[in-house]
Amino acid sequence: ILNVEQSPQSLHVQEGDSTNFTCSFPSSNFYALHWYRWETAKSPEALFVMTLNGDEKKKGRISATLNTKEGYSYLYIKGSQPEDSATYLCALRSNDYKLSFGAGTTVTVRA
Amino acid sequence: EAGVTQSPTHLIKTRGQQATLRCSPISGHTSVYWYQQALGLGLQFLLWYDEGEERNRGNFPPRFSGRQFPNYSSELNVNALELEDSALYLCASSWDTEAFFGQGTRLTVV
Repeated sequence: ILNVEQSPQSLHVQEGDSTNFTCSFPSSNFYALHWYRWETAKSPEALFVMTLNGDEKKKGRISATLNTKEGYSYLYIKGSQPEDSATYLCALRSNDYKLSFGAGTTVTVRA
Repeated sequence: EAGVTQSPTHLIKTRGQQATLRCSPISGHTSVYWYQQALGLGLQFLLWYDEGEERNRGNFPPRFSGRQFPNYSSELNVNALELEDSALYLCASSWDTEAFFGQGTRLTVV
């Protein structure tokens, strides 16, 4: 299982502000990068799957970018709302199909 | 289409007992992953099954074991339960790139 790191571990953001956070991973054996949103008392919900260097995905106010050469992905939340409060997980799928998760970034949006 | 289902949703056991957790993947998914989330920690990888075989296991003692059945459903067994095994256990199923999670089993060891 590969070392996937997410930073920061947690962050607080004022409602209406934008924020971003990072997922770092070893770039060798890369197959795909997943982002999940995990709300309390629910199962993690798939946000994005990215496979190509330079990929950018968007879902509403949330977007993600991918750099497979340097081994990082950013997740952006534009105009944060209280319902964005959750733990955001990234997971690396290597080319042997192993799925390795980071510890997550917990986002708290203050009204 | 039914999602990933886990049973039971909650399980209370006493120290030293055995726990069995079950996971039914999405139809057509051949891979099942098990993760543990203990209080205050992130998702820790436990086991990965694919096509009925164990493909990889995380850094957990041998008393954590499991299997995958011909219909791709899976069981996670935890023997000789310890208090620190209290956690949320999540199962995810996958085929190709996408992976989807169940709601989890909350195991409490008293």
